[in-house]
Amino acid sequence: DSGVTQTPKHLITATGQRVTLRCSPRSGDLSVYWYQQSLDQGLQFLIQYYNGEERAKGNILERFSAQQFPDLHSELNLSSLELGDSALYFCASSVSGTGLDEQYFGPGTRLTVT
Amino acid sequence: DQQVKQNSPSLSVQEGRISILNCDYTNSMFDYFLWYKKYPAEGPTFLISISSIKDKNEDGRFTVFLNKSAKHLSLHIVPSQPGDSAVYFCAARLNRDDKIIFGKGTRLHILP
Repeated sequence: DSGVTQTPKHLITATGQRVTLRCSPRSGDLSVYWYQQSLDQGLQFLIQYYNGEERAKGNILERFSAQQFPDLHSELNLSSLELGDSALYFCASSVSGTGLDEQYFGPGTRLTVT
Repeated sequence: DQQVKQNSPSLSVQEGRISILNCDYTNSMFDYFLWYKKYPAEGPTFLISISSIKDKNEDGRFTVFLNKSAKHLSLHIVPSQPGDSAVYFCAARLNRDDKIIFGKGTRLHILP
């Protein structure tokens, strides 16, 4: 158990819909990262927040957005969903925002778009 | 208990030479191995991968070797370039539905 929690574990929705994925970092971690893991793809970094502020942005689509709240939990919002958005979405947290300390990954949310 | 281990926290290599980054794993059920490269303040970037049914995969200057009997994989970078200075993460996947388990990373310094 990494200490990072993600809900829901599974999500099935239709194309065009909007979903929100939630992540709670480990106690004491200020930084949250979101990743997308598609079939046969490596982990793709989406976005990073540090203490409520956006710190780094990766391959995140404009249809996707995220935020980190004062209690440090984070939400990833995916809208206008397409079939290709079906993937595992991971959240990770780390103590600092440098990106070089170890990231602890949550169990992931499996999103299936039908 | 670390299932994916990168025992060298850092490595310095002269520009133009070969960089060899090593990774050991403990779970023989891993079916897919990946290497990620990470610059400061950026997320990891996928570099190269190898399926457990292969022993070598090459992509340009990067080659990954897998020795299943030794539960060991390595990443070779030839020739090393200044832009290769970064942290490299070895990662492994248990099955298609599982998350990727990362090693702690090796910081590679390419010396001029």
